[in-house]
Amino acid sequence: SYELTQPPSVSVSPGQTARITCSGDALPMKYAYWYQQKSGQAPVLVIYEDTKRPSGIPERFSGSTSGTMATLTISGAQVEDEGDYYCYSTDSSNNQRVFGGGTKLTVL
Amino acid sequence: QITLKESGPTLVKPTQTLTLTCTFSGFSLSTSVVGVGWIRQSPGKALEWLALISWNDNKRYSPSLKNRLNITKDTSKNQVVLTMTNMDPVDTATYYCAHSLRDAYVSWYFDLWGRGTLVTVSS
Repeated sequence: SYELTQPPSVSVSPGQTARITCSGDALPMKYAYWYQQKSGQAPVLVIYEDTKRPSGIPERFSGSTSGTMATLTISGAQVEDEGDYYCYSTDSSNNQRVFGGGTKLTVL
Repeated sequence: QITLKESGPTLVKPTQTLTLTCTFSGFSLSTSVVGVGWIRQSPGKALEWLALISWNDNKRYSPSLKNRLNITKDTSKNQVVLTMTNMDPVDTATYYCAHSLRDAYVSWYFDLWGRGTLVTVSS
């Protein structure tokens, strides 16, 4: 079955740049999406189609891809950005829709 | 403004069938290239995609759960119903429904989510 691999945790100080990676074999052929989930809340889409930012999402959130890896970058991370981040994509045949294992971002 | 809300039992017994309803507003499931999906999250675990139904009644299921799932829509009521048979304690999770769009690679993604409903499976 198809898998997306994320680091379990990332920690930065306020104002630093946080980078969360997601690797998957089909990422060169499929878009990556990123969701932010704060404790006790539903996920929120923060990046779609690799690099696009939904309205209302701060400009410090950006996405990029290179080969089989997608990266979510938070430039100047703030304490309110703490939470779990999940990448999402599909396999090459569009049969499996998969979330990564999630990355816990700590900003302190 | 798009909103979605999940409803259903909070407690089911092992072997029972779970029926969840997603009631939405702000869009129509008869609109082209729109769908509704279901995703769950076991306590402390990652998100897991379950099923998706699109505007043209095309249905897609997680390969690992497809034998237990059924998704239907009632466009007139703005509702999507998910049933999951033979429930087990490992199915204890928060179940979310989400508005879904299709991208240029003909892949579906979820842009807006409901708040979720916690379902506990226990005798």
